[in-house]
Amino acid sequence: SQQGEEDPQALSIQEGENATMNCSYKTSINNLQWYRQNSGRGLVHLILIRSNEREKHSGRLRVTLDTSKKSSSLLITASRAADTASYFCATGAPGGTSYGKLTFGQGTILTVHP
Amino acid sequence: NAGVTQTPKFQVLKTGQSMTLQCAQDMNHEYMSWYRQDPGMGLRLIHYSVGAGITDQGEVPNGYNVSRSTTEDFPLRLLSAAPSQTSVYFCASSGGRPSYNEQFFGPGTRLTVL
Repeated sequence: SQQGEEDPQALSIQEGENATMNCSYKTSINNLQWYRQNSGRGLVHLILIRSNEREKHSGRLRVTLDTSKKSSSLLITASRAADTASYFCATGAPGGTSYGKLTFGQGTILTVHP
Repeated sequence: NAGVTQTPKFQVLKTGQSMTLQCAQDMNHEYMSWYRQDPGMGLRLIHYSVGAGITDQGEVPNGYNVSRSTTEDFPLRLLSAAPSQTSVYFCASSGGRPSYNEQFFGPGTRLTVL
């Protein structure tokens, strides 16, 4: 079963607008990650936030984590047409043997119109 | 570095045939994983490995076999292909500093079982 539920399933915005995607999960985590997938390609790691962190920034990306609500959000500011892709959250369980296993959400399809 | 490579890119099988999907990484990563991605869904973990000689099952292991004889290679074997195994298969590796959790993905193998 999928650990993460992502919301919305699809998001369509204009270039320059901000895009916010949300992810909820069910069990304890060590970390939560966001990945991007362009059509027909493999996934690319965007950002990782640890369970003891609340907010993290990387360029135009801002991730928040609320472990009490078991939820995270990804904000992309000043979006560009090149940001058009599917975005997935993935959770890593506690424990060193969990490094090789992530549980993915179903993804949000983001379309940015020029 | 080539990163994570997968072969073949595309494959068509008939029901009952067997085949091996190849995955190799040149980053000296300890952890390697196989995922499948079905239309409109996130990735589901098939098998993973925490080091040479050590493998374990993921969420959807039935019908697949793995082994890890070297750090670099992690092949996935389909024992007797079924139409339900039609999917895109991604191999990933992780284990580099500073983050052991960030996974690097290969480009995927698109498999069709007739």
